[in-house]
Amino acid sequence: DAKTTQPPSMDCAEGRAANLPCNHSTISGNEYVYWYRQIHSQGPQYIIHGLKNNETNEMASLIITEDRKSSTLILPHATLRDTAVYYCIVRAYSGAGSYQLTFGKGTKLSVIP
Amino acid sequence: GAGVSQSPRYKVAKRGQDVALRCDPISGHVSLFWYQQALGQGPEFLTYFQNEAQLDKSGLPSDRFFAERPEGSVSTLKIQRTQQEDSAVYLCASSQLDRNQPQHFGDGTRLSIL
Repeated sequence: DAKTTQPPSMDCAEGRAANLPCNHSTISGNEYVYWYRQIHSQGPQYIIHGLKNNETNEMASLIITEDRKSSTLILPHATLRDTAVYYCIVRAYSGAGSYQLTFGKGTKLSVIP
Repeated sequence: GAGVSQSPRYKVAKRGQDVALRCDPISGHVSLFWYQQALGQGPEFLTYFQNEAQLDKSGLPSDRFFAERPEGSVSTLKIQRTQQEDSAVYLCASSQLDRNQPQHFGDGTRLSIL
């Protein structure tokens, strides 16, 4: 499985853009990059995923470098409710028909008033 | 629409007791996953179902852990003769069959073994 590297923690001022980086230098050509977040006492929440091109939805934008070795999740206007642990995941095929997610420790994002 | 529902939300059991945790996936989702999350850690994969077939159980930590999904919808994770190290949050996720569709998680069952 491709491994990901994220900073353990980040702060962001409320109303500003939060840019969360992720390195995945061993990613293979058919592996997608997924982002989830987990707010305290809740299950992980899907945010966005992508393969090569940049993606945007109502929650966030995902910027993937041309060589696909890193990506950045952008929350355009962070609010206090965006305080959570953010996980960058490269989804691998296990060979048994299972597409489980391999979570690391993620980045703890604190949005500051 | 309704998301993934898990029950109970909290479970306390004495060491040695058996427990059963339930997951109701999103309607129509073929794929169902169980994960275990220890305090301060990310979730770790336990097992995977495609409809009623358990295709991957490589993450189950011991033979005390057993999961089933007999009709391809609701799933139950059973832990026999619980140990203190089984204390964790157990998360269920479901998705459509397409490997590139995201998994949607429930809020988990917090299991505490005394």
